[in-house]
Amino acid sequence: DIQMTQSPSSVSASVGDRVTINCRASQGISSWLAWYQQKPGKAPKLLIYAASNLQNGVPSRFSGSGSGTDFTLTISSLQPEDFATYYCQQADSFPYTFGQGTKLEIK
Amino acid sequence: EVQLLESGGGLVQPGGSLRLSCAASGFTFSSYPMTWVRQAPGRGLEWVSSISNSGGAATYYADSVRGRFTISRDNSKNTLYLQMNSLTDDDTAVYHCAKGLLSVFHYGVDVWGQGTTVTVSS
Repeated sequence: DIQMTQSPSSVSASVGDRVTINCRASQGISSWLAWYQQKPGKAPKLLIYAASNLQNGVPSRFSGSGSGTDFTLTISSLQPEDFATYYCQQADSFPYTFGQGTKLEIK
Repeated sequence: EVQLLESGGGLVQPGGSLRLSCAASGFTFSSYPMTWVRQAPGRGLEWVSSISNSGGAATYYADSVRGRFTISRDNSKNTLYLQMNSLTDDDTAVYHCAKGLLSVFHYGVDVWGQGTTVTVSS
């Protein structure tokens, strides 16, 4: 099975900051990676698919990059509604696996 | 409006069974692969199972549930199912159903239900 490792596990930042979250796959997954945002008590929300494609309705301050084994989610200018937990998921081969999550907290 | 509504969760004893349902509306259900994802209390997301679109000929399972859980779909009822047998404490979680973004796998899931809670306890 492919293991997904996110870093950092948590990060504190302020409104307006630029934040980067990393995700590493234990083997190459081409560009078959998705990013999700989850707020407490809510279902996850798809942000990015196929590593760099912004899902409809997602603000352009979110962007994704990478291929192979190393991927990045960037939030260019944090907004108050962005404080949440973020997960990457590989969609290259079954069983699809999620990273452990990165909690983005207000500094 | 595209919607997914799970049902069937509850309290069950270890070794017991439950069948979860996910009623879909607002889209052509048969055209999309469907997925179950769970989240144990205070933990991260865990992919559980996926089924291909149309007749659902292709099914996939996490190692942790293979042989105990069965995913299926009834396109005439726009409903996804998860039959769960031989339940253990580790299966305690909120179970979400989710719709594939596109008609093939690889692109993630774009619509999620709010989830149904499964508690395995004696």
